[in-house]
Amino acid sequence: DSGVTQTPKHLITATGQRVTLRCSPRSGDLSVYWYQQSLDQGLQFLIQYYNGEERAKGNILERFSAQQFPDLHSELNLSSLELGDSALYFCASSVWPDGTGGYGYTFGSGTRLTVV
Amino acid sequence: DAKTTQPTSMDCAEGRAANLPCNHSTISGNEYVYWYRQIHSQGPQYIIHGLKNNETNEMASLIITEDRKSSTLILPHATLRDTAVYYCIAGAVQGAQKLVFGQGTRLTINP
Repeated sequence: DSGVTQTPKHLITATGQRVTLRCSPRSGDLSVYWYQQSLDQGLQFLIQYYNGEERAKGNILERFSAQQFPDLHSELNLSSLELGDSALYFCASSVWPDGTGGYGYTFGSGTRLTVV
Repeated sequence: DAKTTQPTSMDCAEGRAANLPCNHSTISGNEYVYWYRQIHSQGPQYIIHGLKNNETNEMASLIITEDRKSSTLILPHATLRDTAVYYCIAGAVQGAQKLVFGQGTRLTINP
């Protein structure tokens, strides 16, 4: 157990639907990162939050949005889902916004999203 | 972030040292070298990072060349559980850092 909790572990939904993925960071970590991993794309950085504020953005689609709440958990919202959105979605956390502190990022076990 | 180049795949015998190379010839002075690994479809796992000096922890050793243009991750006594994709990443430690993962090296430990 890495200390980063992601729910749900698996999600199957239809095209056009909206889903919410949840991430609880490791205790004491203020920064949360979201990554998408498709079979043919590798790990793609989506977005980072630090202590409730957005700090960095990657190639995140406009149909996707995220937020970090006062208790530091984060949610990734995916809407108007397409078949190509099927992927593993990982959340990671770190103490500092730059990922240092000796441990780098700690990743969760991911949410496997299947769009049918 | 500097681009890194790694071999696509490598094999190593169980019990031997696994040496994974990484080229980062365009690395800048404030960029660290990070290593992560991903076992099957699990979340990536942090291994080690360094700036200039060689580093060692309970998992591995990191050897960075003097010119910092390349590095080697060493798993001293590889086990079957070390079979994974290993990612070498060069990233700056300033402000909002995002780690950019490449394709990595698929390391297979053979019995």
